Amino acid sequence: DAMVIQNPRYQVTQFGKPVTLSCSQTLNHNVMYWYQQKSSQAPKLLFHYYDKDFNNEADTPDNFQSRRPNTSFCFLDIRSPGLGDAAMYLCATSRQADRVELFFGSGTQLSVL
Amino acid sequence: AQSVTQLDSQVPVFEEAPVELRCNYSSSVSVYLFWYVQYPNQGLQLLLKYLSGSTLVKGINGFEAEFNKSQTSFHLRKPSVHISDTAEYFCAVSEGAGGTSYGKLTFGQGTILTVHP
Repeated sequence: DAMVIQNPRYQVTQFGKPVTLSCSQTLNHNVMYWYQQKSSQAPKLLFHYYDKDFNNEADTPDNFQSRRPNTSFCFLDIRSPGLGDAAMYLCATSRQADRVELFFGSGTQLSVL
Repeated sequence: AQSVTQLDSQVPVFEEAPVELRCNYSSSVSVYLFWYVQYPNQGLQLLLKYLSGSTLVKGINGFEAEFNKSQTSFHLRKPSVHISDTAEYFCAVSEGAGGTSYGKLTFGQGTILTVHP
């Protein structure tokens, strides 16, 4: 089945130690998104790619970066994780034509010690 | 800019009872509306969506929602809930083509539905 896959399912890192979360998709969608969801809060958009065009949200901290080497893969890099970055990180995709419906992965739960 | 308000943070109900989860939105342009469900420690699963056409939308697992443009609401309903419906439910809005936030979902704060035996 076509899907959005996030690895790892759980990630533990140390305060200040760079960490990378990965997302892959077999839907061949042109648009990929990264959302951050803190405990008991709504998902919040960090940035998205329209093909290779990177679009950062205005309030996304500089500590968060992203890479999209090809259509199928997208990475979220946290350069110096703080305790406040502990959250569920959700990857999603949508079709280029309308970008209406998002397809989500199962998420990566990040813990910062 | 668009925003979504889910009026109830928690809704407890008994099994086989009906339930309604309320959602109101605001936007200056036309919108698309969605309900997602999230089970503990999992990603988001689409329940249903309103894009255009009939204002009554049917989704998976017996859920339905009605788009009310005049009241800017998109309430989610189920006539008879099951224990397995216990989860968090998110209402979301996306601006239609021409909007400045086209293609980007804005979520409500979520409603935790707890179904008791």
